Amino acid sequence: TQLLEQSPQFLSIQEGENLTVYCNSSSVFSSLQWYRQEPGEGPVLLVTVVTGGEVKKLKRLTFQFGDARKDSSLHITAAQPGDTGLYLCAERPSGGSNYKLTFGKGTLLTVNP
Amino acid sequence: NAGVTQTPKFRVLKTGQSMTLLCAQDMNHEYMYWYRQDPGMGLRLIHYSVGEGTTAKGEVPDGYNVSRLKKQNFLLGLESAAPSQTSVYFCASSKTGWSSYNEQFFGPGTRLTVL
Repeated sequence: TQLLEQSPQFLSIQEGENLTVYCNSSSVFSSLQWYRQEPGEGPVLLVTVVTGGEVKKLKRLTFQFGDARKDSSLHITAAQPGDTGLYLCAERPSGGSNYKLTFGKGTLLTVNP
Repeated sequence: NAGVTQTPKFRVLKTGQSMTLLCAQDMNHEYMYWYRQDPGMGLRLIHYSVGEGTTAKGEVPDGYNVSRLKKQNFLLGLESAAPSQTSVYFCASSKTGWSSYNEQFFGPGTRLTVL
């Protein structure tokens, strides 16, 4: 099981600012998923990235998978209070029991109005 | 279509008491999972099931048991609760397991406090 490091652990910004959060590993990802968890609810899938160098956009959110597939980033443009939540990355191992996700500890984002 | 539901939403137990958490999904998913979420620890897999009648241990299985008698239900049992089991418990399900794009759908969680 590889260790997923997410940074920063906490982030508090004002509405309208841009931000980037990171997910890193010492090993190569098979694939990576980003989930968002709002207070009092379960995580919800935002995106899956599979190919090194892949970039995916979801409205104001841009997800990037590193070329070497050992890191990923999530960039939010013009953050809004509705973006507040815990952002979790989850790694899916290659082969074998690749249905078991390993989650990072998350970045807790607060967007203040 | 309710998705994944969990019962109860909140529970307070005394040390040594037992309880069962119920998870139900109406999406006909094969795979189901139980996680616990603690501050600063992220989500950790307790047990999982790859189909009706099957169960397997995850990362932190000690002190918990599970059963999957029906495809749509996955039960998590605590036989003798301990304060270290105070946590928020999430159930999840997925259609299959083998695709990189496979999505896990989570329930709303059960907040358990053991005194």
